[in-house]
Amino acid sequence: GEDVEQSLFLSVREGDSSVINCTYTDSSSTYLYWYKQEPGAGLQLLTYIFSNMDMKQDQRLTVLLNKKDKHLSLRIADTQTGDSAIYFCAEARANDYKLSFGAGTTVTVRA
Amino acid sequence: SAVISQKPSRDICQRGTSLTIQCQVDSQVTMMFWYRQQPGQSLTLIATANQGSEATYESGFVIDKFPISRPNLTFSTLTVSNMSPEDSSIYLCSVEGYGMQETQYFGPGTRLLVL
Repeated sequence: GEDVEQSLFLSVREGDSSVINCTYTDSSSTYLYWYKQEPGAGLQLLTYIFSNMDMKQDQRLTVLLNKKDKHLSLRIADTQTGDSAIYFCAEARANDYKLSFGAGTTVTVRA
Repeated sequence: SAVISQKPSRDICQRGTSLTIQCQVDSQVTMMFWYRQQPGQSLTLIATANQGSEATYESGFVIDKFPISRPNLTFSTLTVSNMSPEDSSIYLCSVEGYGMQETQYFGPGTRLLVL
């Protein structure tokens, strides 16, 4: 199967780091993605990682991939109020690029 | 990144009617997809829009209910037919293969409410 699982909620204090976790089941996945959805908006591609990589850093975002455990995480450094949103983890199946999404993690940043 | 527009951005429709949603990309892309996001839920793939041939539907979705067109490499439409309140969702198109990149970008979505 291609179930993608995420925790549903995360509350973090402004200025702290946020870590959002995701597990997937399809070992043939080629790319793994993190999307951000703000209230009333569409999906914004935040970052992605190719399955042969362990880590990818992009400014405040760090993605870690543990392929053995099929575990993906997104770390947001110095979390700001503008980071409050729903974050979706998604995996791309090999050969057809179709995405399977997790349920989304609602991140709330408190002052 | 890809610039993707969808029309309409939102609509309120009566049950039994149909609505056609348009998706336009600013450059040619390899793949175009249509997703549905029901209220408070994650995204579910409806179908892959194939240029010049019939769309490929996922389990649970059929062409009679969700006819799709893709006349060229930058444009696609999704029609939600004979609507019921259960069709109230956000419908999003996405594209793959923009600028040779193997990343998938999403449009802003069409918010549909069926009364």
